[in-house]
Amino acid sequence: QQKVQQSPESLSVPEGGMASLNCTSSDRNFQYFWWYRQHSGEGPKALMSIFSDGDKKEGRFTAHLNKASLHVSLHIRDSQPSDSALYFCAASGDTNAYKVIFGKGTHLHVLP
Amino acid sequence: EAAVTQSPRNKVAVTGGKVTLSCNQTNNHNNMYWYRQDTGHGLRLIHYSYGAGSTEKGDIPDGYKASRPSQENFSLILELATPSQTSVYFCASGDGGAYAEQFFGPGTRLTVL
Repeated sequence: QQKVQQSPESLSVPEGGMASLNCTSSDRNFQYFWWYRQHSGEGPKALMSIFSDGDKKEGRFTAHLNKASLHVSLHIRDSQPSDSALYFCAASGDTNAYKVIFGKGTHLHVLP
Repeated sequence: EAAVTQSPRNKVAVTGGKVTLSCNQTNNHNNMYWYRQDTGHGLRLIHYSYGAGSTEKGDIPDGYKASRPSQENFSLILELATPSQTSVYFCASGDGGAYAEQFFGPGTRLTVL
């Protein structure tokens, strides 16, 4: 079973709208989270990390982590066509600090 | 910003042939990783290394070997390539530790006929 599960698989939002992506870790050994973004034809690139309970805001991007449920979300406000990409949630932990588990990704389409 | 390069960018191989994918990073990161990306599976970890001379198995190591001869270089070796290994392969590097960001290369598209 996938240890890091993402939803939805695909999401379409209008330009200027809010996009919300979800991620849950099923293994308490993996409790630190990163969000990565991958544009078509490129390698993934880190967007932001979140390691503590609560919200973390970076520009138009806000991540929220609930450590009790190991659920993390990413909210993109004022979505732009350039935000159209594949978004990965990645989890790591202290047990094996070198290993990172990626989810299957959410395809975000921002419609002009 | 960390620079991770991969070669070749595209490769066509024959079944049963040997394939070597190369990765180089210039930011002196201790950790390096090899992933494959397939539709419906996301990124899956094949092998990783936490320093020169070390290699560790990831989640899907069968059919793959890895080599880390130096801090900068990390290779993925397919001794007997099969069509099921057709995929896009990404190399990444990072400083290590549970909090570390990973920096990815541009990927290698491998087709095994």
